[in-house]
Amino acid sequence: EAAVTQSPRNKVAVTGGKVTLSCNQTNNHNNMYWYRQDTGHGLRLIHYSYGAGSTEKGDIPDGYKASRPSQENFSLILELATPSQTSVYFCASGDGRGGSAETLYFGSGTRLTVL
Amino acid sequence: GEKVEQHQSTLSVREGDSAVINCTYTDTASSYFPWYKQEAGKSLHFVIDIRSNVDRKQSQRLTVLLDKKAKRFSLHITATQPEDSAIYFCAASMSNYAQGLTFGLGTRVSVFP
Repeated sequence: EAAVTQSPRNKVAVTGGKVTLSCNQTNNHNNMYWYRQDTGHGLRLIHYSYGAGSTEKGDIPDGYKASRPSQENFSLILELATPSQTSVYFCASGDGRGGSAETLYFGSGTRLTVL
Repeated sequence: GEKVEQHQSTLSVREGDSAVINCTYTDTASSYFPWYKQEAGKSLHFVIDIRSNVDRKQSQRLTVLLDKKAKRFSLHITATQPEDSAIYFCAASMSNYAQGLTFGLGTRVSVFP
């Protein structure tokens, strides 16, 4: 029933390795977002998307790529993972309609550890 | 850019009492202020928001107050219950869209019997 599903829930990666975090939403929302949550920094926006084929840089995009192949799917890609990317990553979809403020619907998060 | 500060990192409250979480922001252009809740081991979900055209909004036991002059907004939880225990994040934005949101660091609220 969960409308925003992330996989995997936990991931351990090695430095220099490639990591792909996946997100699927059944809300039929155009907008999707990737955040990371770190102690002392709160939630920070990495990449976002307005719809299939679109990706935009957020506030901290360095070291990350994003891919939105369809309305439902939005991936976050770490081509060369580093220990500083150890974090909890949240995907969200947004019901932005222009005329009113957007509400975010979050997935359960992925805990990534880069050794 | 915008900075949002949550003034309490933790807050303990006796069940049935009220809890107040305070946030300040820096950009006078911010006009939208949502609150999100994260229960232990779970994801975040929206709880309440306020726009800058009003100074108070209530939803059941939750009330948000906005003081634009002081650039301060607060979440008031009345008659607290154990299920109110969570981390609460305030946020501010100049736009309707989430890419403009700046989040605070969160306040962990613990409701004890």
